[in-house]
Amino acid sequence: GESVGLHLPTLSVQEGDNSIINCAYSNSASDYFIWYKQESGKGPQFIIDIRSNMDKRQGQRVTVLLNKTVKHLSLQIAATQPGDSAVYFCAENRGGADGLTFGKGTHLIIQP
Amino acid sequence: KAGVTQTPRYLIKTRGQQVTLSCSPISGHRSVSWYQQTPGQGLQFLFEYFSETQRNKGNFPGRFSGRQFSNSRSEMNVSTLELGDSALYLCASRRDSPNYGYTFGSGTRLTVV
Repeated sequence: GESVGLHLPTLSVQEGDNSIINCAYSNSASDYFIWYKQESGKGPQFIIDIRSNMDKRQGQRVTVLLNKTVKHLSLQIAATQPGDSAVYFCAENRGGADGLTFGKGTHLIIQP
Repeated sequence: KAGVTQTPRYLIKTRGQQVTLSCSPISGHRSVSWYQQTPGQGLQFLFEYFSETQRNKGNFPGRFSGRQFSNSRSEMNVSTLELGDSALYLCASRRDSPNYGYTFGSGTRLTVV
């Protein structure tokens, strides 16, 4: 079936290092992708999005890369801070009203 | 501006009962969708409403239903609750146009005992 999946359930990085969280998707018809951050007890918080006609988009300390050839999405967080500790989800939308299809999530742990 | 508001934050119900959850979207957002989050299944799409009409529904039984009012506020209802319905129920709103990021509320934590 169609799915969005994450390669690693847990990622541990040193404070100040860069973090890279990966995501694979299987539906080539997906045309919009979003990264969310979810902290304990809170709903998912929008980080950055990218449309299928782009391969890179940058925000504040975050960059999303989209490789449509291999159906791969990644989130890069520069100079990771303690406040970046959370579960990160990628999500895809196939246009219209199908809703978002989420990956299982990656727990990012920041080591001091 | 105010975010997506969900009420109540926590709820405990008994098997067989029904429950209604409420969601107030961001002002100006007419699209509201609902998601169920569990440790085992992750985040799963329940349904989406736009202008009081359900546009799509995820793979959930008919016990799960929803509606949207003229002011875009939405409710979801779960009847004949089962233990497996225990989850965090999240509501998200977005602008009318597709491919805009959905903004999520903090969710309602439902526990079925």
